[in-house]
Amino acid sequence: DAGVTQSPTHLIKTRGQQVTLRCSPISGHKSVSWYQQVLGQGPQFIFQYYEKEERGRGNFPDRFSARQFPNYSSELNVNALLLGDSALYLCASSSLGKSYEQYFGPGTRLTVT
Amino acid sequence: GQNIDQPTEMTATEGAIVQINCTYQTSGFNGLFWYQQHAGEAPTFLSYNVLDGLEEKGRFSSFLSRSKGYSYLLLKELQMKDSASYLCAPTNDYKLSFGAGTTVTVRA
Repeated sequence: DAGVTQSPTHLIKTRGQQVTLRCSPISGHKSVSWYQQVLGQGPQFIFQYYEKEERGRGNFPDRFSARQFPNYSSELNVNALLLGDSALYLCASSSLGKSYEQYFGPGTRLTVT
Repeated sequence: GQNIDQPTEMTATEGAIVQINCTYQTSGFNGLFWYQQHAGEAPTFLSYNVLDGLEEKGRFSSFLSRSKGYSYLLLKELQMKDSASYLCAPTNDYKLSFGAGTTVTVRA
């Protein structure tokens, strides 16, 4: 079975632009979480969606938004990009609404110049 | 809020044992994960502790003390491929709160 997939792999944007990152969970998983990992730090929680509903939000500004589709795939949108948004964006899926055993995708490397 | 502390770096030789300690203070707690992350790759699941005590899984073991807000990951019979960052992540139901990670370097 395929694992969690994310697209694109790499992305370069300029300040002020908007970006959309995509994630497909493992087949049968209904929960998707998004994390931001800045170089040298651990991942920071952004959102969790379960059954298309937002279950939790981390300490990120409103420029960050997400949604989950009927097929449980998800998109993360970031508006008005800042240099500090440069990071690896990780998507994780799990079969339950709880955080038990989340499986991470390969991530999208976003560079803001 | 949350406060998660783990050493920044550790070095050990092939075949040795290394113990990575993690202390945490979080708002709400259900359990604690350990993940391994090689440079440039996604984190991969190692262990999940809910109850106090030691969980053994092959060369890796993880310990949890909920009352002390303390966990450790024990890596035995170290191999070169174990060189990676190890992330401690307490969870409060729907989100993982990661520490900065401990970079383990295994030397021949």
